[in-house]
Amino acid sequence: EDKVVQSPLSLVVHEGDTVTLNCSYEVTNFRSLLWYKQEKKAPTFLFMLTSSGIEKKSGRLSSILDNKELFSILNITATQTGDSAVYLCAGVSGTYKYIFGTGTRLKVLA
Amino acid sequence: GAVVSQHPSWVICKSGTSVKIECRSLDFQATTMFWYRQFPKQSLMLMATSNEGSKATYEQGVEKDKFLINHASLTLSTLTVTSAHPEDSSFYICSARDVRGAGETQYFGPGTRLLVL
Repeated sequence: EDKVVQSPLSLVVHEGDTVTLNCSYEVTNFRSLLWYKQEKKAPTFLFMLTSSGIEKKSGRLSSILDNKELFSILNITATQTGDSAVYLCAGVSGTYKYIFGTGTRLKVLA
Repeated sequence: GAVVSQHPSWVICKSGTSVKIECRSLDFQATTMFWYRQFPKQSLMLMATSNEGSKATYEQGVEKDKFLINHASLTLSTLTVTSAHPEDSSFYICSARDVRGAGETQYFGPGTRLLVL
């Protein structure tokens, strides 16, 4: 059965800290892994990863995929209170089914 | 990124009524759209995959007669919650599959909060 597991479930840090969010996956005929940020509304797209070992970067956020060990990490450096959100990862299967993890709830304190 | 809209944002209705939620891809054509349901502090639960011009594919445990999906055009899918009951109260989110460019991704609408009294 396809599954995506995220850790930790919840994280509280102070502004300026660096955080690493983990996502492991078992997805049939894996195509890609996506990261989303969800605040009060629907998720917003952050990254799509298809190739192992290639880092994607957007400002203070970066992500990398290891498709040998079947995991991805999302790094956020110099965290700000606006980074507080639930971060979701999703594995995309060969039939384009998106399997979401339960998310990591990040709280950044001022 | 691409834009997906949902309407309405909020619905409060009486038990027994039907509620229709629209999902539109505003700047691209989406042959496939997805409908999710999310309970508080839980992840997204895929309800069904909506394909333009054909019947939706429902996930196990989702009643197709309860949650009617229509994908009549390349930019519009609708979800109708028929004879809604309080247990149908939830946050409903649609997404549209964007296959332009090198890879494909999924863009979400802003969601619709449904409260059934």
